[in-house]
Amino acid sequence: SQQGEEDPQALSIQEGENATMNCSYKTSINNLQWYRQNSGRGLVHLILIRSNEREKHSGRLRVTLDTSKKSSSLLITASRAADTASYFCATVETNFGNEKLTFGTGTRLTIIP
Amino acid sequence: GAVVSQHPSRVICKSGTSVKIECRSLDFQATTMFWYRQFPKKSLMLMATSNEGSKATYEQGVEKDKFLINHASLTLSTLTVTSAHPEDSSFYICSARDFQAVSYNEQFFGPGTRLTVL
Repeated sequence: SQQGEEDPQALSIQEGENATMNCSYKTSINNLQWYRQNSGRGLVHLILIRSNEREKHSGRLRVTLDTSKKSSSLLITASRAADTASYFCATVETNFGNEKLTFGTGTRLTIIP
Repeated sequence: GAVVSQHPSRVICKSGTSVKIECRSLDFQATTMFWYRQFPKKSLMLMATSNEGSKATYEQGVEKDKFLINHASLTLSTLTVTSAHPEDSSFYICSARDFQAVSYNEQFFGPGTRLTVL
């Protein structure tokens, strides 16, 4: 099965700066999703981008998708201390009816106040 | 928004005992629920897909007799870790797909259950 790789594994930035996380995957996808997980908690869905989309925005979040390179990026602008969390990308493959999410390895983001 | 709960949030048990974890969709019907396992500072690994009224589909390498899954209703799935051993200690997370959300595959995640086997 495919597995996403995320880069970097860990990222520390000052509050107010922008944070960029990257995700690469291996197979054809239907869509790619980004999730946030606070330590020891469940996942919160952030944004979904379909395979025919190249860029999507939601508040301070900007997601890009390059299907030719099989990669995606998540940009968080004007970071806040509350953004400290782990961020995961997850893909849904193109097989019809396949609902499985395959998660990437995650990026641990720390925002320094 | 759609809410998924898990119970218990934490459980400590002795080696050899069985532990049941519940996953409930509180305000929507979920024909499909998913069970994941997460080791510290690691990603989520899908264990099985649970469909209401039918047998669960397990991922390769996951023991069916070890991790019993029951999806008896549209709002409840249970995961039972049988004869638990210390290596089963992990964070178990469920998710549910909204039956009516056919436009895309968003899954709603529970808060997770921390299992510690002594």
